[in-house]
Amino acid sequence: KNQVEQSPQSLIILEGKNCTLQCNYTVSPFSNLRWYKQDTGRGPVSLTIMTFSENTKSNGRYTATLDADTKQSSLHITASQLSDSASYICVVANDMRFGAGTRLTVKP
Amino acid sequence: GAGVSQSPSNKVTEKGKDVELRCDPISGHTALYWYRQSLGQGLEFLIYFQGNSAPDKSGLPSDRFSAERTGGSVSTLTIQRTQQEDSAVYLCASSFRLAGPTDTQYFGPGTRLTVL
Repeated sequence: KNQVEQSPQSLIILEGKNCTLQCNYTVSPFSNLRWYKQDTGRGPVSLTIMTFSENTKSNGRYTATLDADTKQSSLHITASQLSDSASYICVVANDMRFGAGTRLTVKP
Repeated sequence: GAGVSQSPSNKVTEKGKDVELRCDPISGHTALYWYRQSLGQGLEFLIYFQGNSAPDKSGLPSDRFSAERTGGSVSTLTIQRTQQEDSAVYLCASSFRLAGPTDTQYFGPGTRLTVL
């Protein structure tokens, strides 16, 4: 069954530090892979969209990478800020299947 | 311009009652999606509409759930004979087209449904 799995489930880091979130998927083929940020009590907001042929896409301090051979994607957050505290969700767009997300907490 | 709006923002109902949730997508967006999110869980796809094509209902959890989209714009998600396990936040999203490589999904704030 096609799945999207994210790791870690939760992560706590100090403000200013970098972190990397992982997304493994088995959906194949797919048209694009997306990362979203969801603040508590809000709807998700799109961070990046990558097609099958793209390896990396940046949006400010957020950089997503995609390895279509290993079916892995990562989201790297640079110089974290308190406002980065949120859930980060990976989505494979073929069937709009969302991963469970990684809950990131940035502490001062 | 205005984003995706949903109403009501909160809905409390009794088990067995029917509820209707409304979504107003961004003007000009042809694709509209419904998801639900239980507390602490990921988003669960329910249904999407794309233009005049038949909707993809593959995510609807039971025949108590139905949705329609009138005039290619506003959509209503109806849950009949609500059960306690239907309690969740119901999120609507729209995009210019159906999740193509450049089509960002824009989400509404959601409707929090509580079934007592």
